[in-house]
Amino acid sequence: EAGVAQSPRYKIIEKRQSVAFWCNPISGHATLYWYQQILGQGPKLLIQFQNNGVVDDSQLPKDRFSAERLKGVDSTLKIQPAKLEDSAVYLCASSLGGQDNEKLFFGSGTQLSVL
Amino acid sequence: DAKTTQPNSMESNEEEPVHLPCNHSTISGTDYIHWYRQLPSQGPEYVIHGLTSNVNNRMASLAIAEDRKSSTLILHRATLRDAAVYYCILRPDDNNDMRFGAGTRLTVKP
Repeated sequence: EAGVAQSPRYKIIEKRQSVAFWCNPISGHATLYWYQQILGQGPKLLIQFQNNGVVDDSQLPKDRFSAERLKGVDSTLKIQPAKLEDSAVYLCASSLGGQDNEKLFFGSGTQLSVL
Repeated sequence: DAKTTQPNSMESNEEEPVHLPCNHSTISGTDYIHWYRQLPSQGPEYVIHGLTSNVNNRMASLAIAEDRKSSTLILHRATLRDAAVYYCILRPDDNNDMRFGAGTRLTVKP
């Protein structure tokens, strides 16, 4: 079974530039999550989608971060403009959706460095 | 939000059992206890979860205190590939909200 695919694996940009990350969840998974993991900390939920609708985006800095999942499959996370404190690993996860306490499956993440 | 407390780091010898503790004194009656681990340069992976009773699977065992204010993840025979950060997470029954703490970094010595 193919896992959660993310690209790019690494990205280096200068502050104030824009960047986008892409995620392809496991086939058939209705729920998709984006997490931000700063070095030395646990992952922090940014946004959760159920199909193409947003379930929770309470921790997404909406002045600079945006995410979409237009067809309910792939998703993109964008930062515009980036700040130094956005340097982190951005993890995408997916789950079947519709069940309590179901497992989350994570991708390997995109490591972003903002200079 | 209910929170968990874990030691920052632990060490173990290869092929010995490892007991990873987690305190969650403010757990509510409907919170499940989940464990994930994160190997270097990878995303977290599911290990095990439970509500009240102890649980076993091929990866580990989960021992839950009778008052549910603490739990212990047990790796029966640690291998070098078990070196990772282990996260204990409380998850409400009615949603899939996963709030990670800093976890415990497990080092396995050969």
